[in-house]
Amino acid sequence: SQKIEQNSEALNIQEGKTATLTCNYTNYSPAYLQWYRQDPGRGPVFLLLIRENEKEKRKERLKVTFDTTLKQSLFHITASQPADSATYLCAPGGGSYIPTFGRGTSLIVHP
Amino acid sequence: DAMVIQNPRYQVTQFGKPVTLSCSQTLNHNVMYWYQQKSSQAPKLLFHYYDKDFNNEADTPDNFQSRRPNTSFCFLDIRSPGLGDAAMYLCATSRRQLLQETQYFGPGTRLLVL
Repeated sequence: SQKIEQNSEALNIQEGKTATLTCNYTNYSPAYLQWYRQDPGRGPVFLLLIRENEKEKRKERLKVTFDTTLKQSLFHITASQPADSATYLCAPGGGSYIPTFGRGTSLIVHP
Repeated sequence: DAMVIQNPRYQVTQFGKPVTLSCSQTLNHNVMYWYQQKSSQAPKLLFHYYDKDFNNEADTPDNFQSRRPNTSFCFLDIRSPGLGDAAMYLCATSRRQLLQETQYFGPGTRLLVL
């Protein structure tokens, strides 16, 4: 069955540093992969989508990579700010697959 | 602004007492989803509607039912809530496309079962 792995341990970093979050998936080949942000007690909010034929996607301070050979996506936030503190979920999908969510990694940016 | 609305934001029910959660959207999307999310866990898809076609996930308990009377509204019915059904329930919508299916979520309804 499809499996999505995100680091369950919270990532603590200092303000101004780059945060890197990892998403690994197994047992399927998604056509795209999405990243969402979720704040406590709220619904996820879409951030970025990267397709299988794209290696990298950027949006302001966010950068996503997608390696279909490794079955892995990396999500980077540069010049991180305390306001970036949240849980970040990855969601591979596409083709016959409804986007399926990982459990997310909590990011804590310390001032 | 186009959006996904869930009511109520908090719902308290008694063990075994039926409860209905509601979701509405102004995005005119053809797909509507219901997810259950427990603390520190991934949102778990319960079912979704693609237009009027209902798609139930294989492991969704029979205790959970859904209705979509029109494009804008979708309901989640929990026939006999148990303590294990206490969770955040998220409604989401999307426009189904082969190479992009971004989901737009409502704020969620937190269900407490006493």
